[in-house]
Amino acid sequence: DAGVIQSPRHEVTEMGQEVTLRCKPISGHDYLFWYRQTMMRGLELLIYFNNNVPIDDSGMPEDRFSAKMPNASFSTLKIQPSEPRDSAVYFCASRGMNQPQHFGDGTRLSIL
Amino acid sequence: GQSLEQPSEVTAVEGAIVQINCTYQTSGFYGLSWYQQHDGGAPTFLSYNGLDGLEETGRFSSFLSRSDSYGYLLLQELQMKDSASYFCAVRTSGYSTLTFGKGTMLLVSP
Repeated sequence: DAGVIQSPRHEVTEMGQEVTLRCKPISGHDYLFWYRQTMMRGLELLIYFNNNVPIDDSGMPEDRFSAKMPNASFSTLKIQPSEPRDSAVYFCASRGMNQPQHFGDGTRLSIL
Repeated sequence: GQSLEQPSEVTAVEGAIVQINCTYQTSGFYGLSWYQQHDGGAPTFLSYNGLDGLEETGRFSSFLSRSDSYGYLLLQELQMKDSASYFCAVRTSGYSTLTFGKGTMLLVSP
């Protein structure tokens, strides 16, 4: 079975540019999570969806961050405009009811 | 809110046994999970404890004491490939999310 698929794997861009990260969850999973991982702050939950509906976005750091889930098989995390402090590894994870979370391989984002 | 404490680094040799501890402070505790992450890779699920006691999965075991707000991950017959970061994570009742500790880097040497 295919796992959680994230794209791109690496992204390098200049500050001020728009960045879009993409995620395809495991088929049948009804929860989707976006995390950010840095050395300083560890693994932080940004936002999560249940049945394509955003449930808790309290972890989204600023209005520059937004996330959507237009259907059960696709989600995006957008940063506009990007800043150097947004550099991190961004993970998407999904799970079914009462199941453990499965993580994608992440997107390593560098903002210059 | 929730807080979790785990050692930042643990070292051991091949074939040895190592225990990684995790203490937590949270309201409405529901369960404790453990994840493994190799450098630059995806965190992968190892085990879950919802009740007190020991859960065993091959060379890995996980323990929970709800009264002590404490759990640990036990790795036996260590192999070089076990060198990775290990995260404990709590789930609180009424929430669908996990709060992760800062992780313990395990270094296994020959």
